[in-house]
Amino acid sequence: EQQVQQSPASLVLQEAENAELQCSFSIFTNQVQWFYQRPGGRLVSLLYNPSGTKQSGRLTSTTVIKERRSSLHISSSQITDSGTYLCASNQGKLIFGQGTKLSIKP
Amino acid sequence: EAAVTQSPRNKVAVTGGKVTLSCNQTNNHNNMYWYRQDTGHGLRLIHYSYGAGSTEKGDIPDGYKASRPSQENFSLILELATPSQTSVYFCASGVSGENTEVFFGKGTRLTVV
Repeated sequence: EQQVQQSPASLVLQEAENAELQCSFSIFTNQVQWFYQRPGGRLVSLLYNPSGTKQSGRLTSTTVIKERRSSLHISSSQITDSGTYLCASNQGKLIFGQGTKLSIKP
Repeated sequence: EAAVTQSPRNKVAVTGGKVTLSCNQTNNHNNMYWYRQDTGHGLRLIHYSYGAGSTEKGDIPDGYKASRPSQENFSLILELATPSQTSVYFCASGVSGENTEVFFGKGTRLTVV
């Protein structure tokens, strides 16, 4: 069964720095989705990116299918970007990684 | 973004009691899911459905039942609630096919005492 690994587990940055989050998959997937979650909050869909590069505002995701990995780049980070970022593979059901906890300091 | 509505948002139940968590989506999505989220375990799939009348077991179905009476509604039922079922429950919906983007509700915080 699909297993999803995320790295790093946590990341602390200064405001305005860029963040790079990684996600790897144990088996092939062409259905990758990135989510954001604040403590106690709902999962907000950030980007659905089955392959290639997709951008939404300051977020850029790159999925390389043959290497079974996806990344999420956050440019010019802001304090409000703090939270947990989850990637997931949809194999008929969403399989999640454990998340990257991002903290942005002023 | 597609709307998924969960009710109630918060619930306190007694051990041994019956609890029903409801989920509604008006996006005409075929697929619906119930997850629970616990510290140290991440998100775990309880039940899911591919359409009205169908339910499938997820990774942790024991102690839970699901019901999909219509395209729009998907319920999670705890017939005999236990303290170990204290958790935050999320419902989600999505389409099947090429674009399988999934959207989540705001969650239900359930406490079983």
